[in-house]
Amino acid sequence: QQQVKQSPQSLIVQKGGISIINCAYENTAFDYFPWYQQFPGKGPALLIAIRPDVSEKKEGRFTISFNKSAKQFSLHIMDSQPGDSATYFCAASIKGGSEKLVFGKGTKLTVNP
Amino acid sequence: NAGVTQTPKFRILKIGQSMTLQCTQDMNHNYMYWYRQDPGMGLKLIYYSVGAGITDKGEVPNGYNVSRSTTEDFPLRLELAAPSQTSVYFCASTGAGGQGKLNEQFFGPGTRLTVL
Repeated sequence: QQQVKQSPQSLIVQKGGISIINCAYENTAFDYFPWYQQFPGKGPALLIAIRPDVSEKKEGRFTISFNKSAKQFSLHIMDSQPGDSATYFCAASIKGGSEKLVFGKGTKLTVNP
Repeated sequence: NAGVTQTPKFRILKIGQSMTLQCTQDMNHNYMYWYRQDPGMGLKLIYYSVGAGITDKGEVPNGYNVSRSTTEDFPLRLELAAPSQTSVYFCASTGAGGQGKLNEQFFGPGTRLTVL
């Protein structure tokens, strides 16, 4: 059972464009929604995270938008750069649930110069 | 701090062989995790631990075993390797209220395992 559904599987964007990756979840007990960034040959690293008490969180060019009623959240990368080319994973966890993360299947982002 | 370290980086096993993947963290984190990553499938949790002496199964535990005798170390054991265990394995750790952002999991560089 896939608890976090991520789309698209791959995304190609021109430099300076906006990259948008979407995730949907089923378990209403989830209360923490991070995005991880992974470069080839490396482990994932936390990029940005949000809790459901806010609808948006921005850190530099990266923004998470959260829609609790629709059980959806998305990552927006503004002014996308070739250095942003990586695989992005959304995830979700339950507070007090041993901090276990359930990951989406990932989106491979390519930003063309 | 070295963070989360994993050894080996690469390994080729024959069917039926056994091996232990090592994971060590120097951040005094209570929680540690083992994931496997297969192409297009995201990361699947194999086992996790909330502290020394305490381990529990994740989503895909079959064919694996773990132990947690110290806070720092969380080795993953493959007893009878099968081709289905060909994957990239990541160890991660987090500490409630510790280093970094709350809930942030710090990942190691991974071990690429091939079973032939």
